[in-house]
This record gives sequence, C-alpha cells and structure tokens, in this order.
Amino acid sequence: GAVVSQHPSRVICKSGTSVKIECRSLDFQATTMFWYRQFPKQSLMLMATSNEGSKATYEQGVEKDKFLINHASLTLSTLTVTSAHPEDSSFYICSATQSMNTEAFFGQGTRLTVV
Amino acid sequence: GENVEQHPSTLSVQEGDSAVIKCTYSDSASNYFPWYKQELGKRPQLIIDIRSNVGEKKDQRIAVTLNKTAKHFSLHITETQPEDSAVYFCAASWRDSNYQLIWGAGTKLIIKP
Repeated sequence: GAVVSQHPSRVICKSGTSVKIECRSLDFQATTMFWYRQFPKQSLMLMATSNEGSKATYEQGVEKDKFLINHASLTLSTLTVTSAHPEDSSFYICSATQSMNTEAFFGQGTRLTVV
Repeated sequence: GENVEQHPSTLSVQEGDSAVIKCTYSDSASNYFPWYKQELGKRPQLIIDIRSNVGEKKDQRIAVTLNKTAKHFSLHITETQPEDSAVYFCAASWRDSNYQLIWGAGTKLIIKP
C-alpha cells in the first residue's frame, strides 16, 4: 500500500512554544490530507481537512489560529500547534487518500507532550 | 450529518473463538465501509473494506458483512489469535462531505489465552 510518513514521532515542548508536525505522502500525490487528534482509549477526532493550495477546512470547535495547517504541495502537509499548553498534549495523526472514497493511509502519529 | 455507532466498546473472547463487531451508519448514500486495526501507540491500518454493491467480503480469517437496508455492517474474526488483540475502528463514507470517512468510536478486542 501507499506510504504516509509523519514526523516527529514524539516531541516534548515547553508551554507557550510552538511545534510543527509534518505529514508526507511518499509514493503518491495527496490532494487531500486529514489531521486527527486521538485521546487515550478514544476514537479518531477529525480536526481539519487539508487541501493542496487552499485553506484548510476546520471542524467545529477546532481553533484555526491555534492549529495552523499548511498544504503547500501534493505530498506535504504541516500542522503547527501554536502557543502550546498542557491540555494540547495528545496523539496527533495524519492521513491521506489517493482519491476520495478510498482507503486512507495513516502516518505514524506524533505524541505531543507539553510541559 | 453522518453518524457511525460501533458496538461493543470492549470485547473479550477466548483464543480460538470468533469475534463480531457491529457498526451502524445514518447516511443511506454511504458506499464505502472500511475496517481499521490499531495496535497500541501505532497507526491505524486497513484490514478489510467493502463497498455498497456487495453484501459480504472475506479475507482468510476476517470477513465483513453489509446490510444496506438496515444500514449496518459487521466485522467477523474467526479462530482468534493473541495478535488479534487491538482496537478496531469502523468507518463510513459521508456523501455530503465529499465522501470523507466518519469513524466509529472503536472496539477494544482482548483475546484471552
């Protein structure tokens, strides 16, 4: 199957700083990528849909000024958590599809800890 | 909007027995239903999927059945093994959102030796 690479896998940052997470589709072009947040023992919560060359579409309740998403190319989307706080600590995971209504390929996920 | 309900939240079965996880969806126009397996701390991975033009699909010990009339689909795992222990997620495509996937809440499957 297709490969989606996400980095970093783990990051610890101080409260008030920003963290950037990258999501790359290695062997296919992804016009759409998705960013999820997953709390322990819970399902995948969609945060935003990232479309190449246009602004991301955020889900209700997700602060677009706090979670900055950039999808500058067909193979790279980034999520920046700005002014991170301890409550932002979570598992963030991206996915990409080659076309809608088909299998979603996930990145490895990023465990963010804000201290 | 589309809603996907998944049951049970936790399922414990004896090794060698079968496990069944069920999901219901609300959008009658949904036409793609994948199942993902997520091991602790790892990414979800597709294990099987089905489209609305078929009622059943099987891959070795894993099968998925779809009842479009009742709007529910189920994952069946036979002859369960310890490595089947994981969290399983169902999803359904949502037509009104360009067929993006809407996820169930997940089922933690525990295989008892």
